[in-house]
Amino acid sequence: GEDVEQSLFLSVREGDSSVINCTYTDSSSTYLYWYKQEPGAGLQLLTYIFSNMDMKQDQRLTVLLNKKDKHLSLRIADTQTGDSAIYFCAESLYGGATNKLIFGTGTLLAVQP
Amino acid sequence: DSGVTQTPKHLITATGQRVTLRCSPRSGDLSVYWYQQSLDQGLQFLIQYYNGEERAKGNILERFSAQQFPDLHSELNLSSLELGDSALYFCASSGSGRSDEQYFGPGTRLTVT
Repeated sequence: GEDVEQSLFLSVREGDSSVINCTYTDSSSTYLYWYKQEPGAGLQLLTYIFSNMDMKQDQRLTVLLNKKDKHLSLRIADTQTGDSAIYFCAESLYGGATNKLIFGTGTLLAVQP
Repeated sequence: DSGVTQTPKHLITATGQRVTLRCSPRSGDLSVYWYQQSLDQGLQFLIQYYNGEERAKGNILERFSAQQFPDLHSELNLSSLELGDSALYFCASSGSGRSDEQYFGPGTRLTVT
């Protein structure tokens, strides 16, 4: 089945680390993505991880993938007020030559100064 | 700036009307995807085109149709509009990158009154 779940809300203080979690159900996913959406804006691709990797680090962002538990997380180090946004995880399902994205519900990250 | 452009940015129309949303993919990208974002349904995949041909369909209503032209821009046509069609419509494009990552446009906000 196609279902991606995220917690709805996370509040952190500026300078702390944020961890946003995601669970997915389709084991055939090849790539998993994190997107950021600021108010009134489109979706910005932050990072992605291939399903045979456990971890990927990109500056302040660290993605961890537990394929056995179908669990994905995004850690933002030294969170800033500019990181306040909705974060979506998405899995890419390959089938019939398409790689449509299945999105999670989104997590609203609120960063308190 | 993702390189994907969408017009118009906002559209307000009445029930029963027909509208056309336009998308220009990033230079060189052959795939175009359409997604709908609404409060009750979240982000949902509608349809994908690859080099002018329909590649995959998602939860797209029969009242909706799309096409991709030889210059690779795409149009999403929405007809017999209902109040429930009010949403943000995103276009994304992808190329031949190894991870097939999708880059999103800024979206068109459709309001049906």
